[in-house]
Amino acid sequence: DADVTQTPRNRITKTGKRIMLECSQTKGHDRMYWYRQDPGLGLRLIYYSFDVKDINKGEISDGYSVSRQAQAKFSLSLESAIPNQTALYFCATSDFPGSSYNEQFFGPGTRLTVL
Amino acid sequence: EDKVVQSPLSLVVHEGDTVTLNCSYEVTNFRSLLWYKQEKKAPTFLFMLTSSGIEKKSGRLSSILDKKELFSILNITATQTGDSAVYLCAVGGAGGTSYGKLTFGQGTILTVHP
Repeated sequence: DADVTQTPRNRITKTGKRIMLECSQTKGHDRMYWYRQDPGLGLRLIYYSFDVKDINKGEISDGYSVSRQAQAKFSLSLESAIPNQTALYFCATSDFPGSSYNEQFFGPGTRLTVL
Repeated sequence: EDKVVQSPLSLVVHEGDTVTLNCSYEVTNFRSLLWYKQEKKAPTFLFMLTSSGIEKKSGRLSSILDKKELFSILNITATQTGDSAVYLCAVGGAGGTSYGKLTFGQGTILTVHP
């Protein structure tokens, strides 16, 4: 079984709809991250969480919100989806303090299309 | 603000060629530089380079880190069609606003033709 899972894997929605993307992990990691990927722009950080009580904005948090329901679960919400939020979304985890020096492990991604 | 720039953005080669991918960076309190390979979906980890490990090798892939000049290269020798992918460079910081985060470059799209 995959260590980091994301649901749904694909989603098509309409402008103005509320969307939630979910991420679960069985790695036992404290840190979780949400990224979006657009062609030619690499991965950009939306939100991250170092533990259940810690939520931080990334470089592109406008239009998004998150919830850390448990150590293993981190959800990303688009309150009112717009077409330029069409992208590939990744969840990632990392261990702390660990010896992994920032290594992150990625989920399979969610392809979101906003019409 | 942390910054990672990769070059070239895309590269087309034939099987057997050797390629060099570049990554330059600016980051607060550098801690590590990571290379990922992304084929269909999720990025998969290749190498991590830190102050205590500035050169890594695995089969046909190798990478070095130049902390003085703030760049890294990823070399792939005797390329195969299975090497076709997006290669992502990311840098992690040890403090300040960089703490616990990775900043990614734009990626290099490598296409290897038979």
